[in-house]
Formats: sequence, C-alpha cells, structure tokens
Amino acid sequence: DTAVSQTPKYLVTQMGNDKSIKCEQNLGHDTMYWYKQDSKKFLKIMFSYNNKELIINETVPNRFSPKSPDKAHLNLHINSLELGDSAVYFCASSQTSGTGELFFGEGSRLTVL
Amino acid sequence: AQSVTQLGSHVSVSEGALVLLRCNYSSSVPPYLFWYVQYPNQGLQLLLKYTTGATLVKGINGFEAEFKKSETSFHLTKPSAHMSDAAEYFCAVSDRTGGFKTIFGAGTRLFVKA
Repeated sequence: DTAVSQTPKYLVTQMGNDKSIKCEQNLGHDTMYWYKQDSKKFLKIMFSYNNKELIINETVPNRFSPKSPDKAHLNLHINSLELGDSAVYFCASSQTSGTGELFFGEGSRLTVL
Repeated sequence: AQSVTQLGSHVSVSEGALVLLRCNYSSSVPPYLFWYVQYPNQGLQLLLKYTTGATLVKGINGFEAEFKKSETSFHLTKPSAHMSDAAEYFCAVSDRTGGFKTIFGAGTRLFVKA
C-alpha cells in the first residue's frame, strides 16, 4: 500500500491548457504539501495544508490553486499553463506532532509544450 | 529565515571509498536537520534526521551525520561507498513551529565509480 500516492505520474500538455494533479496519503498525517522540483533538481515549497487549512503559500502565481477536501487529500490545479511550469511536482505529508519528517510521493512530471 | 548550503553539486567517489557530502545551515531557532536521498525518477526518502539529543545520528544504508552547532554543519558520511549509493542527496532544515516549513539545499549528485 503506497503511503503517499500521486496521479498522474506524467502529464504532457500544450501551453494555455489547465491540468490537475491529485495526491492522497494513508499515513494519518495532518499536514500535506506541494513541492516543485525544477530541471536542476532544486526543490521549492509551494503550499502546505494543515487539517485542510492553508498555512503556507509561497509566492506562487494564482494560476496555481490547491484544494484539500480532507486531511488525506491534497490536489493541485494549474490554469493557463506556461512553459516555465514544466517541472516535477511532489506531494508530501507530515505529522505536526512528530519531528517534521516528510513522506514524499513519487512525483508528477509535467511537460508543457 | 532558514537556509541550507550544500557544498558541491557533484561528488564522485570510487566504490569502497569514503563518502562525504557537506551541508551548512542557517537558522534563527534550534533546527531540525535532515538528509534525504532521491533515486532516479523517484520521490525523496529520509536517510536520517537530527532533532535533539545525540549529535551523531545514524541512518539507513550505513550513512551517518554529525550535528555541529558551532560550525552550523550537518555533513553526511559513509565509510565505504557502494554502487547503489549513486543518487541525489538533499540536506534540509525545518523549524519547530506548526507546519514544519522545510527548506532544502540545492542537492548533491553522488557518482560511484567501479
């Protein structure tokens, strides 16, 4: 049973389109995150939700809209895709009563043509 | 504000040689420190972490790291490299407030030569 699962694993789309990535965790954690990894492997936090409440929003364009329907799910919707959005997007989760260890999904590779 | 600097974007060692990956951090509060490993086309997984207590921490696959507050360092070592250690390694720091905002270093790619 995968602890943090993301779908889809690959997306290829045209500029201007809209796409969504879904994430689910079965670890019982109360905090979930979206990270963006660029082509140079640099990891940047985008959003964090704690018990469905947005607690971190790191200067991400408002074309990116996260949604957390419950604490086990965190989705990412991206409008009007641009070339620079091409990256690997990682979902992660942690427990705030723990030591901050992050559990990552396998990533969703987005390619914008 | 917190930050992490990993010295060397690429490190190459021979199989059986010592692995040393360097990490320095900056934090205004006592940090939590982590090393994560990323194999090709996979997510990150935790190698080891420092929270409190013993400053030498041991992780999976024979890796260990030492927290040195005076040097603000958390270098990762392994006495003898194995081919399967070839991967991207990330040092990370987080504060201890709710939400655990974790900041990652730029990563170090480890190459292991036969």
